[in-house]
Amino acid sequence: GAVVSQHPSRVICKSGTSVKIECRSLDFQATTMFWYRQFPKQSLMLMATSNEGSKATYEQGVEKDKFLINHASLTLSTLTVTSAHPEDSSFYICSARDLGLAGGRGETQYFGPGTRLLVL
Amino acid sequence: GEDVEQSLFLSVREGDSSVINCTYTDSSSTYLYWYKQEPGAGLQLLTYIFSNMDMKQDQRLTVLLNKKDKHLSLRIADTQTGDSAIYFCAETSNTGNQFYFGTGTSLTVIP
Repeated sequence: GAVVSQHPSRVICKSGTSVKIECRSLDFQATTMFWYRQFPKQSLMLMATSNEGSKATYEQGVEKDKFLINHASLTLSTLTVTSAHPEDSSFYICSARDLGLAGGRGETQYFGPGTRLLVL
Repeated sequence: GEDVEQSLFLSVREGDSSVINCTYTDSSSTYLYWYKQEPGAGLQLLTYIFSNMDMKQDQRLTVLLNKKDKHLSLRIADTQTGDSAIYFCAETSNTGNQFYFGTGTSLTVIP
């Protein structure tokens, strides 16, 4: 249980185009999903918290107009990198909490496999 | 945000035990976690511990928590080459939503 998928796994795009990344919880409902960014050999940095049915909450320094987040259903959140530039190249990872799990595991975040974005 | 620190590298011989250390600053953290990341992959949850526990054992993994010193460790017994990866500790904020990740420890297992 508690599987999170991401699509695509890797994408290459031209500078100036927009890229959409999907994050799905496959066997549980997630009212809250999280988007992280990871640079090579570095830790994960939280970008935003995606809330089903409401606006996402962005971390300080993250441009909400550039990184559009839509949490349209209890199992799907999307991150759109608008007008992508080479500096947006990174590994984007989503996670979701399964609040239906007992024994503290509801506090656990389950991570997707990540999406590697390369902007040329 | 909260500071979560780890040593960057650790090398051990196959069959030995590995101990990965983590220190954190948030005294109100409720859960602490260990995740494993293999090259080019996402994060795999290894284990977690509630903050009122001192120790948790799960097969080859032993987690020790010293809440007074805000120190967390992960011991891997009988380390195998497949254990080579980056290990992240993480703790939740007091709201339970935000995870603060450590810098990651790259474990290399020498055959």
